[in-house]
Amino acid sequence: AQSVTQLDSQVPVFEEAPVELRCNYSSSVSVYLFWYVQYPNQGLQLLLKYLSGSTLVKGINGFEAEFNKSQTSFHLRKPSVHISDTAEYFCAVSAISGGYNKLIFGAGTRLAVHP
Amino acid sequence: DAGVTQSPTHLIKTRGQQVTLRCSPKSGHDTVSWYQQALGQGPQFIFQYYEEEERQRGNFPDRFSGHQFPNYSSELNVNALLLGDSALYLCASSSGLGTGNYGYTFGSGTRLTVV
Repeated sequence: AQSVTQLDSQVPVFEEAPVELRCNYSSSVSVYLFWYVQYPNQGLQLLLKYLSGSTLVKGINGFEAEFNKSQTSFHLRKPSVHISDTAEYFCAVSAISGGYNKLIFGAGTRLAVHP
Repeated sequence: DAGVTQSPTHLIKTRGQQVTLRCSPKSGHDTVSWYQQALGQGPQFIFQYYEEEERQRGNFPDRFSGHQFPNYSSELNVNALLLGDSALYLCASSSGLGTGNYGYTFGSGTRLTVV
């Protein structure tokens, strides 16, 4: 069965500093991986996704993530964060069963950007 | 182009009552999935509807039921509400089964509080 572990529940960082949000997954089959962002009192917005091909995936708002199959990781990075990046970030894996798929989410990482 | 629309946005119910939440999928999408997001946790998969049938279900009791209408909109019903049912309920739409990897769109959710 697939599962997702987000290694940090909270990540504080100063504005314009780089940040990495860590995500590890477990799966016995090929995976599709996602990062979503959730701003306060809002739903989930897709940041980026890995389906196949290049292991470095670029997303919206300057975020990127690297798929590492040997380490079963999909860490999210941004070279310089802004106050507006303060939000909850969720890593997810697509679980396929019997031809149907669903998303399995990690517990989330709260990114707090300080001036 | 409207995205996923959920109603109501907020709801307060008493223990033991029943509640119905509604979701209109993004235009062109025919599959609706429901997720429960408890405070401080990642979304948990409840069930998925396609062609007006429940196609797969997560680890939720039978108190949670749903329906999909011919226009692809969906309802989530919860009977005999418990305090632990308090959560943000998210609806996600996609096009076809097994292809959600290419585009889940989430609504802003319904915040249910059980008192």
